Amino acid sequence: VQLLDSGGGLVQPGGSLRLSCAASGFTFNFYAMTWVRQAPGKGLEWVASISASGGSTFYADSVKGRFTISRDNNKDTLFLRMSGLRAGDTAIYYCAKDDLAARPSHFDSWGQGTLVTVSS
Amino acid sequence: DIQLTQSPTSLSASAGDRVTITCRASQSIGNYLNWYQQKPGKAPKLLIFRASSLESGVSSRFSGSGSGTDFSLTISGLRPEDFATYYCQQSYNIALTFGGGTKVEIK
Repeated sequence: VQLLDSGGGLVQPGGSLRLSCAASGFTFNFYAMTWVRQAPGKGLEWVASISASGGSTFYADSVKGRFTISRDNNKDTLFLRMSGLRAGDTAIYYCAKDDLAARPSHFDSWGQGTLVTVSS
Repeated sequence: DIQLTQSPTSLSASAGDRVTITCRASQSIGNYLNWYQQKPGKAPKLLIFRASSLESGVSSRFSGSGSGTDFSLTISGLRPEDFATYYCQQSYNIALTFGGGTKVEIK
């Protein structure tokens, strides 16, 4: 299993960014996928999850209405579209593979992370 | 949201020691509790899922127990590569949450 996160960078407050996670080594459309973030020097925070089919999505209250999780099962890729970014969104963002299909549970593989910095 | 409180927040131990970390949930979560290890600059790694199931490939020095609101992770015979930060995570509620972490340092 390999998950390759990309798309992070420096963005101004109020700006937008799209993260990607390219998956390989497993049957991508069998498993739910999740984004987890970690602010500098802080703990882990669940951000959003999507079911294997893409038909169900789940969001943390802190990002609901600003972030959109999606997936392309034909290209084995997970996305996180982030808009209305705030300083508090500054973090390393990890994609993670779930062990279930329908909803997030526990994460048995993780990407290397991509750093998002929100600053003027 | 379900709050997870880990204790201690940090501990110092020596190689060979037996270490126990606890995680308390703000409400009953059955056995929907998972444990991860994270080393500096690295992504987390799943150790234990559903409170006591050892993830494939993880050393049997790691074990988990508990149900309801009180859970623990035990490392038997601490090795140098075990010095890291450990997080619990609940999957009972769809709004997943993590504990604050426990840093295990070398004494």
